[in-house]
Amino acid sequence: AQSVTQLDSQVPVFEEAPVELRCNYSSSVSVYLFWYVQYPNQGLQLLLKYLSGSTLVKGINGFEAEFNKSQTSFHLRKPSVHISDTAEYFCAVRRSNYQLIWGAGTKLIIKP
Amino acid sequence: DAGVTQSPTHLIKTRGQQVTLRCSPKSGHDTVSWYQQALGQGPQFIFQYYEEEERQRGNFPDRFSGHQFPNYSSELNVNALLLGDSALYLCASSPQTVNRVNNEQFFGPGTRLTVL
Repeated sequence: AQSVTQLDSQVPVFEEAPVELRCNYSSSVSVYLFWYVQYPNQGLQLLLKYLSGSTLVKGINGFEAEFNKSQTSFHLRKPSVHISDTAEYFCAVRRSNYQLIWGAGTKLIIKP
Repeated sequence: DAGVTQSPTHLIKTRGQQVTLRCSPKSGHDTVSWYQQALGQGPQFIFQYYEEEERQRGNFPDRFSGHQFPNYSSELNVNALLLGDSALYLCASSPQTVNRVNNEQFFGPGTRLTVL
């Protein structure tokens, strides 16, 4: 069965510092991976997705993620965070029936 | 374009009651999915509606039911509420073909349901 593990429930980081949010998945078949962001009191917004091709995926707001098949990881990175990046970030993997399996989320806390 | 809208924003019910949540999809979208997001967890897929029919269903009991109207809007109904039904209920919409290819669903802000 497919599953998604987000290793950190919270990640505090200083403003303008780099950040990495970790995501590991388990799947025995081809994977399609997604990162969504949820700002306070808002719905989920797609940040980026990996369907095929280049393993380095660029998304909105300066975020990028790297698909690593050997390590079954899809970590999200940003070289310099801003206070506006404060949000919860969710990693998800798509099942063969197109449903998404979600991780538990990582809260990104930006310290001034 | 107002995007995906949901009503009400917040709702408080007691155990055993019934609740109806509403969702209007983004303009041009014909597929609506519902998710339950418990506190501290990721969303859990409840079901998806397309052409006014339930097309897919997650691991939720029959107490959870839905409907899609000809204008593509949708309702989620939950009967015999339990304390464990307290959660944020998210609606997401997409065009059917896009949904099946890359899962780019557009989410509403959610309805926060509290069951006392």
